[in-house]
Amino acid sequence: DGGITQSPKYLFRKEGQNVTLSCEQNLNHDAMYWYRQDPGQGLRLIYYSQIVNDFQKGDIAEGYSVSREKKESFPLTVTSAQKNPTAFYLCASKLLAGRAGTDTQYFGPGTRLTVL
Amino acid sequence: KQEVTQIPAALSVPEGENLVLNCSFTDSAIYNLQWFRQDPGKGLTSLLLIQSSQREQTSGRLNASLDKSSGRSTLYIAASQPGDSATYLCAVNGGSEKLVFGKGTKLTVNP
Repeated sequence: DGGITQSPKYLFRKEGQNVTLSCEQNLNHDAMYWYRQDPGQGLRLIYYSQIVNDFQKGDIAEGYSVSREKKESFPLTVTSAQKNPTAFYLCASKLLAGRAGTDTQYFGPGTRLTVL
Repeated sequence: KQEVTQIPAALSVPEGENLVLNCSFTDSAIYNLQWFRQDPGKGLTSLLLIQSSQREQTSGRLNASLDKSSGRSTLYIAASQPGDSATYLCAVNGGSEKLVFGKGTKLTVNP
């Protein structure tokens, strides 16, 4: 089956720890995105990547880092510098980067991160 | 800066009722607008995408309209069912790789 997988589904972190959230897609999509969702809020863009080995900051990149070494993978690291990391994290992908007028984003099932 | 507002924040209706969800945006220079559905604790599922040159899109019992000049979109759901219960999110694409989302409307359809 084609799609986007995120792991783990639930993640618990102690204060001061870095954690990495996995996002993999087998849709052969060019662009990948990371969003953060807080209760009662819309999604906010953290980072996005249009091509391997390149990525751009979104609206709330501080305290996060990403890599794009492979087309199908876009892991997100939540660092200890992120002061309020408890949230629901969603990964998405899109077929043709740059063709903003035609393509929709497809979303993974999400990872819920809780800081203890 | 683009801002997207969805009204109401929550809506409860009896099964079988037709209903309308509203989305407004502040900058009319958009490429497209999308409606998504989100079930509790899940990811988003795309329902409809309307290009800026289109007035509406239909899929089954769903119909989305777009009035770019007034900065408004509506999602019409006909003959609502309990399975339609979810949060519905509107997102605007201004031409970059960024989508700007509203906070959503939580819909409950009561049997």
